[in-house]
Amino acid sequence: EIVLTQSPGTLSLSPGETATLSCRASQSVSSTYLAWYQQKPGQAPRLLIYGASSRATGIPDRFSGSGSGTDFTLTISRLEPEDFAVYYCQQYGSSQGTFGQGTKLEIK
Amino acid sequence: EVQLVQSGAEVKKPGESLKISCKGSGYSFTHYWIGWVRQMPGKGLEWMGIIYPDDSDTRFSPSFQGQVTISADTSISTAYLQWSSLKASDTAMYYCAREVTIFGADVFDIWGQGTMVTVSS
Repeated sequence: EIVLTQSPGTLSLSPGETATLSCRASQSVSSTYLAWYQQKPGQAPRLLIYGASSRATGIPDRFSGSGSGTDFTLTISRLEPEDFAVYYCQQYGSSQGTFGQGTKLEIK
Repeated sequence: EVQLVQSGAEVKKPGESLKISCKGSGYSFTHYWIGWVRQMPGKGLEWMGIIYPDDSDTRFSPSFQGQVTISADTSISTAYLQWSSLKASDTAMYYCAREVTIFGADVFDIWGQGTMVTVSS
């Protein structure tokens, strides 16, 4: 089973700043199968990024994804108040998926 | 509107059985995988398994294989997650989600609202 490790666990930033979230895989992951989700308190997760770098429908261009192999990054530019949430990376391969443990983005 | 609507919160005792549901609407339910995701209180997301309703092909995470049953009834566009003997450690929010393939990427694009399961004596 592929293990995804996200860092940092918590990131404290101010609105307007840029957030850089990391997701590292225990073995190589096809970029096609790497996604990012956002979850706000009391809500279901929402798909942000698929294929490591493609934004899902309706996602602002402030959100961008990059990476390959075992290292992937979600970058959120010009942070808005509504961006403060928990972010999860997810991979799907070999007929099963796994999520990272999440990064909490909080207001500084 | 494409949506998944899950059954309501449950409070059960250890050892009891339970089946929660996830009803799809607004799309061809039969031809999209439906996944189940666990979120224990204050914790992260855990991928449990998925089912293809058309032929009931099912895949599980090793952590959940043998612990739960996933099924689907295409006649009522509903997927199910079932336990035969609940444990206190099954206390969690359970989400169902539709899996779609976008340019080869398999992702969960539509999520249910979640079903909270509480297991306590």
